[in-house]
Amino acid sequence: NAGVTQTPKFQVLKTGQSMTLQCAQDMNHEYMSWYRQDPGMGLRLIHYSVGAGITDQGEVPNGYNVSRSTTEDFPLRLLSAAPSQTSVYFCASRRDPSTYGYTFGSGTRLTVV
Amino acid sequence: AQSVTQLDSQVPVFEEAPVELRCNYSSSVSVYLFWYVQYPNQGLQLLLKYLSGSTLVESINGFEAEFNKSQTSFHLRKPSVHISDTAEYFCAVITPASGGYQKVTFGIGTKLQVIP
Repeated sequence: NAGVTQTPKFQVLKTGQSMTLQCAQDMNHEYMSWYRQDPGMGLRLIHYSVGAGITDQGEVPNGYNVSRSTTEDFPLRLLSAAPSQTSVYFCASRRDPSTYGYTFGSGTRLTVV
Repeated sequence: AQSVTQLDSQVPVFEEAPVELRCNYSSSVSVYLFWYVQYPNQGLQLLLKYLSGSTLVESINGFEAEFNKSQTSFHLRKPSVHISDTAEYFCAVITPASGGYQKVTFGIGTKLQVIP
């Protein structure tokens, strides 16, 4: 099925560990974004990409890295996990122009202990 | 800068009753407006959007939203809700621009709880 695929769905990390959240889309969308969703705070943009090789920071980029080596993949790396990074992470993609809405993945629920 | 306000964090409503979920936005320029729905343990799905033209837009499952420029609102309504409408609803705004990345601003969400 066409769409945005995120793995893993659930993850528990210890403080200080690193990991990569995977995101892949098969719709040839130019734009991809990572959001985190926290209760009462809605969705906050972590990083985004407007195409392969081009990434930029969103509202809450600290502690996260991204890369976009292909159009399809946009992994999010947690460098040294902290309890404040406990959240649900969503990857989303869309095509240009902005009249198109986002297609979201099903999310990764991350707990840092 | 643009912003979105969803004043109601939770809205309980009885099955088959009407519902309105409120969304107000702030922007100094024209915007595109979206409503997304998030069912439990799922990602967000696009419900409907306003780009231009008719101020009343509809979704395939009976929801509608009306763009009101003077009140800077984009409230979501349904005349008769079903149990299956229980979900969290997010209003979002984007400022259209030619080329480049346009940031989407999401509201904090409204949880609709349909009571049998």
